Amino acid sequence: GAVVSQHPSWVICKSGTSVKIECRSLDFQATTMFWYRQFPKQSLMLMATSNEGSKATYEQGVEKDKFLINHASLTLSTLTVTSAHPEDSSFYICSARGPPGAFFGQGTRLTVV
Amino acid sequence: TQLLEQSPQFLSIQEGENLTVYCNSSSVFSSLQWYRQEPGEGPVLLVTVVTGGEVKKLKRLTFQFGDARKDSSLHITAAQPGDTGLYLCAGPSSGGSYIPTFGRGTSLIVHP
Repeated sequence: GAVVSQHPSWVICKSGTSVKIECRSLDFQATTMFWYRQFPKQSLMLMATSNEGSKATYEQGVEKDKFLINHASLTLSTLTVTSAHPEDSSFYICSARGPPGAFFGQGTRLTVV
Repeated sequence: TQLLEQSPQFLSIQEGENLTVYCNSSSVFSSLQWYRQEPGEGPVLLVTVVTGGEVKKLKRLTFQFGDARKDSSLHITAAQPGDTGLYLCAGPSSGGSYIPTFGRGTSLIVHP
């Protein structure tokens, strides 16, 4: 099946710093990628839809200035958490649409201290 | 917004038991996907069902799509500890663009 690679798998950063997470589709082109946030033992919460060559579409309640998304190529989308705070600590997952469904990255565990 | 109601939310069983997870909606879905997610990992696609009444089998897992394409079930026969994980159903949101809508998940623990 299609492979989506997410990097890094985990990151610890200081409060106030920014963190960039990369999501790559390795064997297919993805014009659309999705970014999710997941709390322990809960389902995935869609944060935004990343569109290649255009602005991302954010879900209601998600701060676009805090969670910067860039989809500069057909195989790469990045999520930058700016001025991170402890409440931003979470598991972030990207996915890309490919037949017959969506394929997910491995996830990034972000811990802000 | 199309909602997917998943039940049960938590399930703790002994090895060898059978179980069924349900995914229900009041809306019609063109397709539904089932995923399994292990702690610290991203969800892994198990199956996609497309046709109403469709049944797909993946070893000890049996997936069924309702005739009206509003619901789906996942049945696991003789569960094993390796089946432990979060099971998610998902379907495309309405409006033509494929934005996956997820159920809240079923957390399954299979005890040896």
